[in-house]
Amino acid sequence: SQKIEQNSEALNIQEGKTATLTCNYTNYSPAYLQWYRQDPGRGPVFLLLIRENEKEKRKERLKVTFDTTLKQSLFHITASQPADSATYLCALGVNTGFQKLVFGTGTRLLVSP
Amino acid sequence: DARVTQTPRDKVTEMGQEVTMRCQPILGHNTVFWYRQTMMQGLELLAYFRNRAPLDDSGMPKDRFSAEMPDATLATLKIQPSEPRDSAVYFCASGLVVADDRGGNEYSYNEQFFGPGTRLTVL
Repeated sequence: SQKIEQNSEALNIQEGKTATLTCNYTNYSPAYLQWYRQDPGRGPVFLLLIRENEKEKRKERLKVTFDTTLKQSLFHITASQPADSATYLCALGVNTGFQKLVFGTGTRLLVSP
Repeated sequence: DARVTQTPRDKVTEMGQEVTMRCQPILGHNTVFWYRQTMMQGLELLAYFRNRAPLDDSGMPKDRFSAEMPDATLATLKIQPSEPRDSAVYFCASGLVVADDRGGNEYSYNEQFFGPGTRLTVL
């Protein structure tokens, strides 16, 4: 069956450290993958996109990797800050005649001062 | 600052009542999505419109849910009759699909812009 797995347990780290979140998937062949941030009571906000032919993408303190062989994406936040505390969702871009996003259930990140 | 708007933000209703949720997508976007989010299932796609035409509503319970786009500035999601298991947060998102000459399929690498959601509670 098709699955997208993100760590359901919250990730607790100290300010200044690098946070690494994982997204694993099975039985999908995504053309691209996106990461979103969601704060309580709000809609998800787009952060980064990486295509199937890209290995790594960076944006300021964010870095995403995409390994289509391992069927895994890693999302890194360097020099983490308490303001980075949120839930992070990965979303696979799949095509079923038209493109759509299939979301993981998200990982909650807590950054302590 | 363009953004997706949704109304109402919160809705409490009794089982059996009709619920209508509204969404105003970002001007110029040609795709609209309806999602439902619960703790157990996460974000699930209910319906997808492109240029106001429904392309996929396979995620919706057909007997009680319906989605429409009467014009480019309004998308609606209706539940009739509502049931307690419909309690969830419903998000609308809009985006821009760019045609890609890739085997005849269309691809969009662009992000989706989400509204603030409607929190629905059915008692």
